[in-house]
Amino acid sequence: DAMVIQNPRYQVTQFGKPVTLSCSQTLNHNVMYWYQQKSSQAPKLLFHYYDKDFNNEADTPDNFQSRRPNTSFCFLDIRSPGLGDAAMYLCATSRDRANNEQFFGPGTRLTVL
Amino acid sequence: KNQVEQSPQSLIILEGKNCTLQCNYTVSPFSNLRWYKQDTGRGPVSLTIMTFSENTKSNGRYTATLDADTKQSSLHITASQLSDSASYICVVRLFSGNTPLVFGKGTRLSVIA
Repeated sequence: DAMVIQNPRYQVTQFGKPVTLSCSQTLNHNVMYWYQQKSSQAPKLLFHYYDKDFNNEADTPDNFQSRRPNTSFCFLDIRSPGLGDAAMYLCATSRDRANNEQFFGPGTRLTVL
Repeated sequence: KNQVEQSPQSLIILEGKNCTLQCNYTVSPFSNLRWYKQDTGRGPVSLTIMTFSENTKSNGRYTATLDADTKQSSLHITASQLSDSASYICVVRLFSGNTPLVFGKGTRLSVIA
């Protein structure tokens, strides 16, 4: 089945230790998104890729970076995680940026010790 | 400011009962409105999508309504089941822009036996 896959599902890291979260998709969608969702809050868009074109949200901290080496994969790099970065990180894809549904992955729960 | 407000914040109902969740939005220009179901520790999954001209949309036991004049939507769940326990998120899409989605914080529904 076509889907959005996130690995790992649970990630524990130490304060300040770089961490990378992975997302892959078999939908062949052009757009891939990264969201941060804290407990009982709405998902917050960090950035998205339209093909190879990177689009950063204005209030996304520099601590968060992303890479998209090919259509199928997208990575979220947190260079120096702080306690406030503990959250669920959701990856989503859509065929393009027009009125297309976004398909979400299961998320990666990040814990920062 | 584009905002989506949901109520109640949380709800507990008995299995087999019906319930209605509310969503008010101030998003403009409006394109469409989706209701997502998010199980604990999982990514959101789309239940319904409604455009400006649609008043009602059903998906099994889920029925969504939209009043574009008052900018209100509701999600009605009929004959609730234990598996309906989840967060229900209202998401409104802007007609244009690279950050088109505005998320509500969700309603946490618990269905108990």
